[in-house]
Amino acid sequence: QKEVEQDPGPLSVPEGAIVSLNCTYSNSAFQYFMWYRQYSRKGPELLMYTYSSGNKEDGRFTAQVDKSSKYISLFIRDSQPSDSATYLCAMRAAGNNRKLIWGLGTSLAVNP
Amino acid sequence: NAGVTQTPKFQVLKTGQSMTLQCAQDMNHEYMSWYRQDPGMGLRLIHYSVGAGITDQGEVPNGYNVSRSTTEDFPLRLLSAAPSQTSVYFCASTQTTTGPGYTFGSGTRLTVV
Repeated sequence: QKEVEQDPGPLSVPEGAIVSLNCTYSNSAFQYFMWYRQYSRKGPELLMYTYSSGNKEDGRFTAQVDKSSKYISLFIRDSQPSDSATYLCAMRAAGNNRKLIWGLGTSLAVNP
Repeated sequence: NAGVTQTPKFQVLKTGQSMTLQCAQDMNHEYMSWYRQDPGMGLRLIHYSVGAGITDQGEVPNGYNVSRSTTEDFPLRLLSAAPSQTSVYFCASTQTTTGPGYTFGSGTRLTVV
């Protein structure tokens, strides 16, 4: 079993829909939880990160962490065609070890 | 613009050839790493460095060498290219004293024939 599981999709939604992307994990030591967005033929770019549990909001994006369930989510409100990309979750433990554990990514298409 | 610069963007190699993928960052980041990304396999860590002169292996290091003589540069060497090394390679860096996010380069698409 992988340490981080992420449904690869693809996910296809109409413009304006609310999108929910999710990852589950098994390592209770993980403290930093990140979401990256990767456009086709580009490198991943950091979208949001959360330390420990709770929610974080940035414009149309909300990241949630539920450590009791070992489950993280990214919500996209009022989705736009420009949100079409692959979304990768990543996480790591606290401390000086900077190595990230990655999900496989979910491919999202937002249709006009 | 500040960031991570990778060269070349594309490369075709013949089996057995060697080459170096270049990575440079101008953000004074201590931590640098090399990933390969393959369909269905996600991002896999090849090698990483926590500072100049210090490198370590990731999960798929075989067939690759790295060195870190300066803070800015972290080249990845393919010793004897094999078709299994056909992939997209990303260099990424982060600062150890700020947030946990990495900055990625735009990638090198390598094909080994």
